[in-house]
Amino acid sequence: DTAVSQTPKYLVTQMGNDKSIKCEQNLGHDTMYWYKQDSKKFLKIMFSYNNKELIINETVPNRFSPKSPDKAHLNLHINSLELGDSAVYFCASSQDVNRKTGNTIYFGEGSWLTVV
Amino acid sequence: GQNIDQPTEMTATEGAIVQINCTYQTSGFNGLFWYQQHAGEAPTFLSYNVLDGLEEKGRFSSFLSRSKGYSYLLLKELQMKDSASYLCAVSLPSGGYQKVTFGTGTKLQVIP
Repeated sequence: DTAVSQTPKYLVTQMGNDKSIKCEQNLGHDTMYWYKQDSKKFLKIMFSYNNKELIINETVPNRFSPKSPDKAHLNLHINSLELGDSAVYFCASSQDVNRKTGNTIYFGEGSWLTVV
Repeated sequence: GQNIDQPTEMTATEGAIVQINCTYQTSGFNGLFWYQQHAGEAPTFLSYNVLDGLEEKGRFSSFLSRSKGYSYLLLKELQMKDSASYLCAVSLPSGGYQKVTFGTGTKLQVIP
């Protein structure tokens, strides 16, 4: 029944490792996002895809590479992890039919990444 | 750049009313969201305002003034479970799509 699901929920890894976070939505939405929430709880957009096409790419190190095999999935791969990458990563989705109607963003439960 | 400001923390008493303000200066504007986020959980949708005025939804109401770049979230009859962070977010036009940018959030503590 989970609308936006992401795995793993918790991830502890060493500096320099490569890791992936997977995300799937069963809402039939066209747009998916990755947000990062740091220790100060500031929620910042990283990427957005619409129907598998990249539409928003904020200033994010190129160690972060999103991949969208279809419009229901958006995975995040991170290379050469650094201490500063420790954060909560939220996957989300919305239906971009008409921007004036309020395209509510639905968030997954988050993935707590700790780099040691 | 985009600027969205909210107070960092607020404290209010159970049963009371609290108003959380948000001011924004953005290039472009579709509408304004309010989200609630309990500690350790995902943000959940509360409201979306496009037009000026007050929208009421049970104990929660949200107000928008586009000309002033100002919004507030009003919580009535506060309950302990309302202790959470409240995030103001602006939907911006972005190449035919929307880009939702969040403020820093207001952590509300409800005390007995």
